[in-house]
Amino acid sequence: SQQGEEDPQALSIQEGENATMNCSYKTSINNLQWYRQNSGRGLVHLILIRSNEREKHSGRLRVTLDTSKKSSSLLITASRAADTASYFCATQKGGSEKLVFGKGTKLTVNP
Amino acid sequence: AAGVIQSPRHLIKEKRETATLKCYPIPRHDTVYWYQQGPGQDPQFLISFYEKMQSDKGSIPDRFSAQQFSDYHSELNMSSLELGDSALYFCASSLVGTSAEQYFGPGTRLTVT
Repeated sequence: SQQGEEDPQALSIQEGENATMNCSYKTSINNLQWYRQNSGRGLVHLILIRSNEREKHSGRLRVTLDTSKKSSSLLITASRAADTASYFCATQKGGSEKLVFGKGTKLTVNP
Repeated sequence: AAGVIQSPRHLIKEKRETATLKCYPIPRHDTVYWYQQGPGQDPQFLISFYEKMQSDKGSIPDRFSAQQFSDYHSELNMSSLELGDSALYFCASSLVGTSAEQYFGPGTRLTVT
């Protein structure tokens, strides 16, 4: 990937557990976003965190950003089977609107 | 709420044929982006348009071209198709000044045989 790596590449948990996914990137950014993709379908925007923010919450989602380490994490609390999907981080940097995606984490939540 | 519309949803072509993918952005959105996602891969940016002008360009092969029309819809034209062009092609739209959040369409799955 041009941007970096996500880990783990795959994660399998039980319903009710928390899921944590990590993303690293290589260049300075304006913002970092997380998207969800159900198998072979469209990308759904989950949350955006700007480079001057350190943490953001949205419902059961919590995102952190560490610009010194060029990394971010997405925490999904109290997971549900419907959370089963691939999760991608994507960044935007100054002067460009294009999204640069990481390789994604495939999350499976078992009922 | 209206979403991004892409057509066709599925397309099967043979090698060396041409394909045209269409994208209709969310009403009042003026910027369109195209991304390619190969099997098991992350989406890769191809090209974007703002007010009918190309605004950014990524790893788009010379065999591909795109344009945005006066009604803001966009078309991605692909010629001399190769097996490696088989992928999901996503269109996304945004409103200038709010480009941080892009709204994605359902994608067109192109299979080249």
